[in-house]
Amino acid sequence: AQSVTQPDIHITVSEGASLELRCNYSYGATPYLFWYVQSPGQGLQLLLKYFSGDTLVQGIKGFEAEFKRSQSSFNLRKPSVHWSDAAEYFCAVVTNTGNQFYFGTGTSLTVIP
Amino acid sequence: GAGVSQSPSNKVTEKGKDVELRCDPISGHTALYWYRQRLGQGLEFLIYFQGNSAPDKSGLPSDRFSAERTGESVSTLTIQRTQQEDSAVYLCASSLVTGQGYEQYFGPGTRLTVT
Repeated sequence: AQSVTQPDIHITVSEGASLELRCNYSYGATPYLFWYVQSPGQGLQLLLKYFSGDTLVQGIKGFEAEFKRSQSSFNLRKPSVHWSDAAEYFCAVVTNTGNQFYFGTGTSLTVIP
Repeated sequence: GAGVSQSPSNKVTEKGKDVELRCDPISGHTALYWYRQRLGQGLEFLIYFQGNSAPDKSGLPSDRFSAERTGESVSTLTIQRTQQEDSAVYLCASSLVTGQGYEQYFGPGTRLTVT
């Protein structure tokens, strides 16, 4: 069965520091991978997505993610975090044969001044 | 253009009552999804609609849950005889085609509290 694991429930970083949020997936073939952000009281907004090609994808708000097939990972990174990045981040996978999205349980990011 | 809208934004109901949640997808989006997000949890798939095909109801947790969609427009999620464990945020999303290759656009959600 497909699944997505986000090992870090909560991360705290200082403003201006770099950030990496981990995501591992379980799927036999190459999946389609997504990162979403959910700010308090808001719906989910797509940050970036990977379908094929270049394994390093760029997204909005200065985020990027790298697909590593050997590690079944799709970690999200940002070189310098801003206070407005405080939010909940969800990794998701949709199989290339199915129609369901599978979401991780999310990582809550706190940014301290 | 307008995004996905959901109503009401908040709903408080007594245990045993029925509730109806509404989702207005982005115009032209053929696929529509419902998810449940319990406090501190990830998103739990409930049901999806794609055009005029039979909906995928595999995620509905019990027969108290049902959903309808008229064509490619508004969808309604109904929960009958609500229980306290139904308390959650219910999110709706729409996309151009189902899943593959196209992102889902999410509404702000309906926060349901069952007392």
